[in-house]
Amino acid sequence: KAGVTQTPRYLIKTRGQQVTLSCSPISGHRSVSWYQQTPGQGLQFLFEYFSETQRNKGNFPGRFSGRQFSNSRSEMNVSTLELGDSALYLCASSVRGGTEAFFGQGTRLTVV
Amino acid sequence: GQNIDQPTEMTATEGAIVQINCTYQTSGFNGLFWYQQHAGEAPTFLSYNVLDGLEEKGRFSSFLSRSKGYSYLLLKELQMKDSASYLCAVREGGGSYIPTFGRGTSLIVHP
Repeated sequence: KAGVTQTPRYLIKTRGQQVTLSCSPISGHRSVSWYQQTPGQGLQFLFEYFSETQRNKGNFPGRFSGRQFSNSRSEMNVSTLELGDSALYLCASSVRGGTEAFFGQGTRLTVV
Repeated sequence: GQNIDQPTEMTATEGAIVQINCTYQTSGFNGLFWYQQHAGEAPTFLSYNVLDGLEEKGRFSSFLSRSKGYSYLLLKELQMKDSASYLCAVREGGGSYIPTFGRGTSLIVHP
């Protein structure tokens, strides 16, 4: 069965711009979580969506937002980009936020 | 809040055994995960422990002691392809299904 698909794989944006990243979970998975990964901070949780509702949220500013659609696909948006937002953004899906999450390949965002 | 500690880097020889430790301090506990992440790739699930004891899965085993806030990942018969970052993650529970990740241990396997 198809894995978690994230698009785009690479992105270069300018400070002040906004960006939208997409994640298509494994078929049947209703939980989608987003993480930011940087060399300095490691893997940090952004938020989790389950059945179109945000169920958990990490400690990130309001510039980071997300949503989930009825088909479980999810998007995350970052507004007013800062240089420090440069990172690998990973999406993980699971059946209901259970024991095993499957990660996508990530979107590498570079802010210049 | 949670505090998860694991060594930053370890080296080992091909064919040997290596143990990667993870200690955690959490207000609640609802499971500990180990993930493997090769450079430039997505993390892949290795193991999940929620009860004390050893879980064995092929060359990889994971151990948990809840009373000590301690886990380890044991890799046997090391292969060059095992060179990767190993991430320990703890789920606190209390209604949250989300695990908090440690910084990861970079394992280098040399011939």
